[in-house]
Parts: sequence; structure tokens; C-alpha cells
Amino acid sequence: GNSVTQMEGPVTLSEEAFLTINCTYTATGYPSLFWYVQYPGEGLQLLLKATKADDKGSNKGFEATYRKETTSFHLEKGSVQVSDSAVYFCALTVNTNAGKSTFGDGTTLTVKP
Amino acid sequence: DVKVTQSSRYLVKRTGEKVFLECVQDMDHENMFWYRQDPGLGLRLIYFSYDVKMKEKGDIPEGYSVSREKKERFSLILESTSTNQTSMYLCASSFLHPGGSYEQYFGPGTRLTVT
Repeated sequence: GNSVTQMEGPVTLSEEAFLTINCTYTATGYPSLFWYVQYPGEGLQLLLKATKADDKGSNKGFEATYRKETTSFHLEKGSVQVSDSAVYFCALTVNTNAGKSTFGDGTTLTVKP
Repeated sequence: DVKVTQSSRYLVKRTGEKVFLECVQDMDHENMFWYRQDPGLGLRLIYFSYDVKMKEKGDIPEGYSVSREKKERFSLILESTSTNQTSMYLCASSFLHPGGSYEQYFGPGTRLTVT
């Protein structure tokens, strides 16, 4: 079956620090990969995605590259802000079965001023 | 913008009561999902639906049922609530993006407390 393993949290950083949240996956077929973000008291929203090997997704200063050889999709940001404090979920979807997604357990990021 | 709305943000119910959680999406998406989110357990899929009146069990369907009578609306039913159903419930919808991937759009969540 499909699975997503992401870096355990919580992660605490100072403002302007470099962020990496690791994500690895196992999947049958050719998955699309996603990072979702959940701000306090809200649902999840799509942060970025990549649909094939070597694609780089990017949004709001965050980036992640689809690495098929290492089955990874690590999230990075060069300089985090207090407003980036949230829970981050890595996910994959294989384009069958209504696009049912498999999510990681989430990583809580706290950025301190 | 895609909008997914859920009928309540917070609910408090007593053990044994029946609960309906409603979810509505306004973008004509084929697929809709119900998840529960618990600390340390991430998101777990309860049920999903790929068309009107069509449904499939997810990973944790026990104690839940669903209804999809109209394309835009997907209801989660807890026939007789128990304290272990205290959780955050998230609804989502999705469609096949022209780029060839499914993206999920989430509602704000309903925090259900069963006492």
C-alpha cells in the first residue's frame, strides 16, 4: 500500500532560520506529491505540489523537489517568519480511486521572533 | 476560489446522541471525503464518495455512515456517539486537475466533543 513518512516534530526555529521538513514515501504507480499547511483553527490548504519526477513545486518561499530515486519530497524555506508557524502535512495521490490521498502525520513548526 | 463549508465549527454532544455533520462544496467536484484528525495520528480517512449516491469506506469507517444525495453535499452521520469519537472532523473535495493530479480542498473543520 501507499504510505508517507515525515519528520517528527515539533520543530522550533528562530525567525530567518533555514527550514527543512523531511518527507519520504512508498507508492504503487506514479504518485503526485503535495505539501499542505494547516494554520491554527483552520482546515488544510494546498501549499505546493509536484506531479512527476524532478519537478519542483514552490509557493510563498517554500520549495520541494520530487526525487524519485530517493522517494522523497522534502520541504524547504530559506528564511522562515513567525507567520509560518503551522502544521505541515506531506501527502501523495495516485490517480485512481477518486484521487484518494495518503497523508503523513504532520509536523508542527513554531517560529519564534 | 473553491469553497468548502461545514455546517458547524464546534459541537458538544452527549454519549448516545445522533449527529449529522454536513459539508457543501461549490465547485462541482466529483469527489468528496471525510477525515478525522487527532493529535499524533494525523488525518485518517473515514469515508469518501466519487459520485452522487456512491460511497466507499476509508480506513476507519466503524461507527460512521455517510450520505451523498446531491453532488455538492456530503454528510457524515454518527448514529450513536461515543466519547472516542471526540475529534476534529475535516471535509474535503477534489477533482482531476488539467495538469493530471488530484488536489484536495478542505473545509475549516468541525470540532466535536462527546461527553
